[in-house]
Amino acid sequence: GAGVSQSPSNKVTEKGKDVELRCDPISGHTALYWYRQSLGQGLEFLIYFQGNSAPDKSGLPSDRFSAERTGGSVSTLTIQRTQQEDSAVYLCASSLVRGSPLHFGNGTRLTVT
Amino acid sequence: KNEVEQSPQNLTAQEGEFITINCSYSVGISALHWLQQHPGGGIVSLFMLSSGKKKHGRLIATINIQEKHSSLHITASHPRDSAVYICAVGRLRNEKLTFGTGTRLTIIP
Repeated sequence: GAGVSQSPSNKVTEKGKDVELRCDPISGHTALYWYRQSLGQGLEFLIYFQGNSAPDKSGLPSDRFSAERTGGSVSTLTIQRTQQEDSAVYLCASSLVRGSPLHFGNGTRLTVT
Repeated sequence: KNEVEQSPQNLTAQEGEFITINCSYSVGISALHWLQQHPGGGIVSLFMLSSGKKKHGRLIATINIQEKHSSLHITASHPRDSAVYICAVGRLRNEKLTFGTGTRLTIIP
């Protein structure tokens, strides 16, 4: 089937607005990751979900960022009161189980004006 | 000092040349990943390895755990290999990857 699907592919928002980014992992994949890639920068870990375990939120840059994963499948990354420094490509990846190869989505390019 | 260092940062080569990209890391790892990112941003996982050597087509990845070093080799390089190659390490006891800054490879016809 399909790979990891992210939506929207592009999002332009005004500073101060909230945004929601969606990730549909590959069916059956228990592990789901969110990463961020700022312009000219490397990839940065944000949050990791594994099955029903508590997520590893240690990469979230501030309390304006939150994520959830409903029913062990779809995940939503929410950024409240967006700032210009939040502009980046937000990438989601999933893997079958912990420690197996990652499959990346095409990302959501977020621009905060 | 970054936990994951890649070299070179940029590499331009002629079609057909043998390419080597290096990755050194300074922490204990459970696995090392090589990723390929094409213009437009899509990322593809090339290899995940924790020891020895893996080969897929013209791509070869090796890792030396004792020396904390990995290499990605491309044989008979082709312009379609032009991309950014990213090394990432999975830390022991947690799953968050730490990424290198990438090597931008350009293969000239």
